[in-house]
Amino acid sequence: GAGVSQSPRYKVAKRGQDVALRCDPISGHVSLFWYQQALGQGPEFLTYFQNEAQLDKSGLPSDRFFAERPEGSVSTLKIQRTQQEDSAVYLCASSPPGTEYGEQFFGPGTRLTVL
Amino acid sequence: ILNVEQSPQSLHVQEGDSTNFTCSFPSSNFYALHWYRWETAKSPEALFVMTLNGDEKKKGRISATLNTKEGYSYLYIKGSQPEDSATYLCASGMLVFGAGTILRVKS
Repeated sequence: GAGVSQSPRYKVAKRGQDVALRCDPISGHVSLFWYQQALGQGPEFLTYFQNEAQLDKSGLPSDRFFAERPEGSVSTLKIQRTQQEDSAVYLCASSPPGTEYGEQFFGPGTRLTVL
Repeated sequence: ILNVEQSPQSLHVQEGDSTNFTCSFPSSNFYALHWYRWETAKSPEALFVMTLNGDEKKKGRISATLNTKEGYSYLYIKGSQPEDSATYLCASGMLVFGAGTILRVKS
């Protein structure tokens, strides 16, 4: 079966550009998470959706970051006016309903480089 | 410990060596501890989820132990192979990850 997919896999943006990163979760997975992994660090939580509802966006680093999941499946993470410190790998993960201890299925990530 | 910490940061071993690394996490309000393996250019893959103090889990040559009272978990790899080369991440609960241990196995 298909796993979590993310696109693009690599993105190079000039400082100040807007970017949109896409996540296709596993079909039927209710929960969806976005993480940011800077070089040399672990993934850091950005935001969490249950179906189309964004239940937690406490990890979004600034108001330039915006995530949506309008139909409860595909999600898009948008970064406006990118800055060099936004350079990172952006990971998406999904979980099926009834996951008691939070096992997550990850996509391969999008590596964003802001020049 | 306020954060999830992993040590060592990186490890180079010879094929056939056994190795282990550590994940330290806040012991208060413990919920679950996850181990993931992340190979370059691939998706992080779940290895273990551990919930009970004293838990021991095993998958092939890889095993893990959990001590929730003192807040640590060990991951062991027996007879390392080049294909074990990856970053090993642990996470407390669902949302707080360590920085990972990078393992390189030389043939």
